[in-house]
Amino acid sequence: DGGITQSPKYLFRKEGQNVTLSCEQNLNHDAMYWYRQDPGQGLRLIYYSQIVNDFQKGDIAEGYSVSREKKESFPLTVTSAQKNPTAFYLCASSILGGRGISNQPQHFGDGTRLSIL
Amino acid sequence: GQQVMQIPQYQHVQEGEDFTTYCNSSTTLSNIQWYKQRPGGHPVFLIQLVKSGEVKKQKRLTFQFGEAKKNSSLHITATQTTDVGTYFCAGPPSGSARQLTFGSGTQLTVLP
Repeated sequence: DGGITQSPKYLFRKEGQNVTLSCEQNLNHDAMYWYRQDPGQGLRLIYYSQIVNDFQKGDIAEGYSVSREKKESFPLTVTSAQKNPTAFYLCASSILGGRGISNQPQHFGDGTRLSIL
Repeated sequence: GQQVMQIPQYQHVQEGEDFTTYCNSSTTLSNIQWYKQRPGGHPVFLIQLVKSGEVKKQKRLTFQFGEAKKNSSLHITATQTTDVGTYFCAGPPSGSARQLTFGSGTQLTVLP
């Protein structure tokens, strides 16, 4: 079955530690995204990528980093600079719309819940 | 920047009652998308509307895109307990390379 796989499902971070969240898709989608969701809130865009080896900051990129070395993979690193990392992290992918714009429906993974120890 | 507001934030209904959530954007949208997130789950795409004034139905769900392409609504007729979840609208600004902006969502509780 095609889909998006996020791992791990739960992750705990110690003070001063960087942690990496995995996201893999086999939908052959060009665009991939990372969102952060806080309890009772909507989705806020962290980073997105439309092509391999290229990515763009979203609305809340500070304290996070990403890479896109393969079309299928878009890992997110939560660095120690992110002082409030406890949240639900969602990875998504989509095809690109006309003119290469990322305005098409998105498919989401099951998410990773990150907490501070 | 673009803002997408949804009202109400929370809605409790008795099973069998109707439910409506409203979505308003500060800018014109090229399309509007609706997603449903079950408790503890991830958002799932429901539908996309593209044309001004467009109305689409999925069984008991009716989706509408405003004439000015700045607002939308989702109406559920005769709610069931399976309708429980948070409904999000999302839209990319028209004529812009900016990404989807998600609304804050409406959390629906259906009482049996």
